[in-house]
Amino acid sequence: GQQLNQSPQSMFIQEGEDVSMNCTSSSIFNTWLWYKQDPGEGPVLLIALYKAGELTSNGRLTAQFGITRKDSFLNISASIPSDVGIYFCAGQLDFGNEKLTFGTGTRLTIIP
Amino acid sequence: EAGVVQSPRYKIIEKKQPVAFWCNPISGHNTLYWYRQNLGQGPELLIRYENEEAVDDSQLPKDRFSAERLKGVDSTLKIQPAELGDSAVYLCASSQGLAGGELFFGEGSRLTVL
Repeated sequence: GQQLNQSPQSMFIQEGEDVSMNCTSSSIFNTWLWYKQDPGEGPVLLIALYKAGELTSNGRLTAQFGITRKDSFLNISASIPSDVGIYFCAGQLDFGNEKLTFGTGTRLTIIP
Repeated sequence: EAGVVQSPRYKIIEKKQPVAFWCNPISGHNTLYWYRQNLGQGPELLIRYENEEAVDDSQLPKDRFSAERLKGVDSTLKIQPAELGDSAVYLCASSQGLAGGELFFGEGSRLTVL
């Protein structure tokens, strides 16, 4: 099945650094979401974006819905150890069609 | 409030054996999903239920996979017979059915087929 392209595939950073990752699609989505998955757990929703160009924050996390509707970005400021995990973007085609298409994931590791 | 509950957490079987996974969604959530997550990849939808009705099963390999959601609450996903390529984490998720895609996932059932 289709998966969205995320980059980078993995990141190794030091605590306190800022993080940026993005997600691109060949098709348009009307909703973009960002999830985080810890080992042995299911994905947990971080941020949801519903409008092209929208910029939304949740604490140290900021996400943007690309103006073309084919991409989204996630930034994490001042990273802390609990930010470690895999971040997935997900797109939804239509309101009322709740199928989510997930990205390939970005694995974040914090170097001591 | 209890989250999405799945069982078993882990299952190891030999190929050609059957296996079943169970999911109890969040109370009041009408929409239930089964996703498969292969190692190093994002989840991929297998089937979506609205109450008892399977409204999207286009990605479910129907020759060996089956699912049911009796009474619109719990759901079971079955594989018979299992193949080596079925090794993955099977995630169940539920939502209230409102547009916006806010799914709540269970911890998943990790299947290893030997």
